[in-house]
Amino acid sequence: NAGVTQTPKFQVLKTGQSMTLQCAQDMNHNSMYWYRQDPGMGLRLIYYSASEGTTDKGEVPNGYNVSRLNKREFSLRLESAAPSQTSVYFCASSETGTGLRYTFGSGTRLTVV
Amino acid sequence: EDQVTQSPEALRLQEGESSSLNCSYTVSGLRGLFWYRQDPGKGPEFLFTLYSAGEEKEKERLKATLTKKESFLHITAPKPEDSATYLCAVLSTGSARQLTFGSGTQLTVLP
Repeated sequence: NAGVTQTPKFQVLKTGQSMTLQCAQDMNHNSMYWYRQDPGMGLRLIYYSASEGTTDKGEVPNGYNVSRLNKREFSLRLESAAPSQTSVYFCASSETGTGLRYTFGSGTRLTVV
Repeated sequence: EDQVTQSPEALRLQEGESSSLNCSYTVSGLRGLFWYRQDPGKGPEFLFTLYSAGEEKEKERLKATLTKKESFLHITAPKPEDSATYLCAVLSTGSARQLTFGSGTQLTVLP
């Protein structure tokens, strides 16, 4: 059981370039999330999708877009990368119900130069 | 606005030296408090969920407790393999399904 798979694991971009981070889960979870993790700031929510066909902004959505392609896949797009978007990005999914036990992917380390 | 503060930021223990990590939170109403473990270069891994004051959960050398304002993660007789960053998160009644995370406590257990 793979859980949550993120690609790529590492990426270096030049300022102004665009890219899409991919995330797929095989646990039949309804909800999916994108977080970024920066030193000393913890995990901050970028966007989330409560169910297939819906997306909502989180705490730090500026400069990002998302697509919930189907129940399994949730992608994060940077249209014009900036150095401030250098971070580690985590995708997560959760089961329906009050448990809200997140399963995280292994992360994408992005550097924007 | 939901807030989660973890202390200390870093903790070094000798193998077998028990201690506690603190998570203080401010929420409009608590639906759940979560503890995760994160190893370097990996995503967080779920440990516990606590729902109400007075609740306790245990797993091997770890025990999590909850009051109305804070949670503690007690580590009894730790081993080097317990070294990791421990993250606390809350789900409030004002949120749909999004967790608010603290910045974590980096635990190092020396042999």
